[in-house]
Amino acid sequence: DVKVTQSSRYLVKRTGEKVFLECVQDMDHENMFWYRQDPGLGLRLIYFSYDVKMKEKGDIPEGYSVSREKKERFSLILESASTNQTSMYLCASYRLAGGINEQFFGPGTRLTVL
Amino acid sequence: QKEVEQNSGPLSVPEGAIASLNCTYSDRGSQSFFWYRQYSGKSPELIMSIYSNGDKEDGRFTAQLNKASQYVSLLIRDSQPSDSATYLCAGDSGGYNKLIFGAGTRLAVHP
Repeated sequence: DVKVTQSSRYLVKRTGEKVFLECVQDMDHENMFWYRQDPGLGLRLIYFSYDVKMKEKGDIPEGYSVSREKKERFSLILESASTNQTSMYLCASYRLAGGINEQFFGPGTRLTVL
Repeated sequence: QKEVEQNSGPLSVPEGAIASLNCTYSDRGSQSFFWYRQYSGKSPELIMSIYSNGDKEDGRFTAQLNKASQYVSLLIRDSQPSDSATYLCAGDSGGYNKLIFGAGTRLAVHP
């Protein structure tokens, strides 16, 4: 069974801290995605990666960076956390199974920036 | 700006009724559409995908796609309280298997 894990379910950080959110998938998928989810706004794409060391900006990349040094691991970095980055962060991994394209989500990290 | 629009709800239906969830999209280049279910505090899980105009049925769920009208819908027959969740509509956009998500419709099924 596909598994996407995220390093923390809940995280509290202070303004200005550097924050690392990690995502690991165990199915050798090429494409991985980072979203944030806010009430009334749905899921918004921050960054995605289609291969090791390859990354592309999504719709809201400002204030974030990413790293993909190994195929199974995709990290989201908040260089200097701000209160407006308080949100639910969801990582997804893409798979093609049974002819169906599916983004399979991790459990999410609820980040609070004080 | 490419968008997927959904009514936020809540949509309240009695147990056993048909729940109808609707979605419109702006990107005429989108070819594939998806319905995800998200329980409170959980991550989204895929329940239906549809690629061609018409209907696609899977158990109690039917997805409908009308590309001319840029309209996607999800019907849930014999709704159960366990169907109470937020339903996210998504369409593909721009390659690399990227998706654009709507903000979701909250469904409440009451006994």
